[in-house]
Amino acid sequence: DADVTQTPRNRITKTGKRIMLECSQTKGHDRMYWYRQDPGLGLRLIYYSFDVKDINKGEISDGYSVSRQAQAKFSLSLESAIPNQTALYFCATSPGQAYNEQFFGPGTRLTVL
Amino acid sequence: KNEVEQSPQNLTAQEGEFITINCSYSVGISALHWLQQHPGGGIVSLFMLSSGKKKHGRLIATINIQEKHSSLHITASHPRDSAVYICAVKGAQKLVFGQGTRLTINP
Repeated sequence: DADVTQTPRNRITKTGKRIMLECSQTKGHDRMYWYRQDPGLGLRLIYYSFDVKDINKGEISDGYSVSRQAQAKFSLSLESAIPNQTALYFCATSPGQAYNEQFFGPGTRLTVL
Repeated sequence: KNEVEQSPQNLTAQEGEFITINCSYSVGISALHWLQQHPGGGIVSLFMLSSGKKKHGRLIATINIQEKHSSLHITASHPRDSAVYICAVKGAQKLVFGQGTRLTINP
C-alpha cells in the first residue's frame, strides 16, 4: 500500500462549489504539505503543518483552507472553487527537520469549469 | 528572475547517452533536492544534498555551494529514465522549486 494517499485522484467540479481534497499517510511523519502544480510553473506551497496544532500559510494560500485532523490526515478545501484553481495538487510529508526528504502522494487532478 | 533556474527545459537523447541537467539558484540554501516526476504524475525524491556529491545507481548529483549550482547526471541513459526532473532548494522557511527539465530518452 502507498505510504501517502490522496483522494480523489481526479475531480471535475463547477465554479462556486466547495471541494475537499484529502491526504492520509502511514509514514508517521509530523510534517505535511499541500502543493499545487501548474503547467510551466514549479510546485508552489499552499499550506503546511508541522504537527497537529501547527498550521501555516504558504505562498499561495488565498482561496484555500486546511484541516489537520490527526497526525496522519491533512485535508485541503476550496471554499468556492474558481477556474484558475484548475491544477494538479500534491500532498507531501517529511520526517525530522522541515523540508527534509519529501514523500509525495500520487496527486489529485482538479478541473474547475 | 526565478530563484531557481533549470536548464535545459527540454532534453531529448538516445539510449546510452550521458545526461546532464543543471540547476542554478540565487538564494541562500541549506540543502538542495532533486526529484523525478513520472509521466503519470507521481513525484519521487531522488537526492537531498548540501555539499559534494551523491550517487545512487546510474544517477549522480553534485552541488557547488559557492557557485550556487547543482547538476544531475544520468549515466547509460535508458527510456525508463524519461521523466521530468525537478530541482528544489531548501531555504529558511520553504522549498523553492524549479520549473523542471523534461527528459526523453529514445531507444
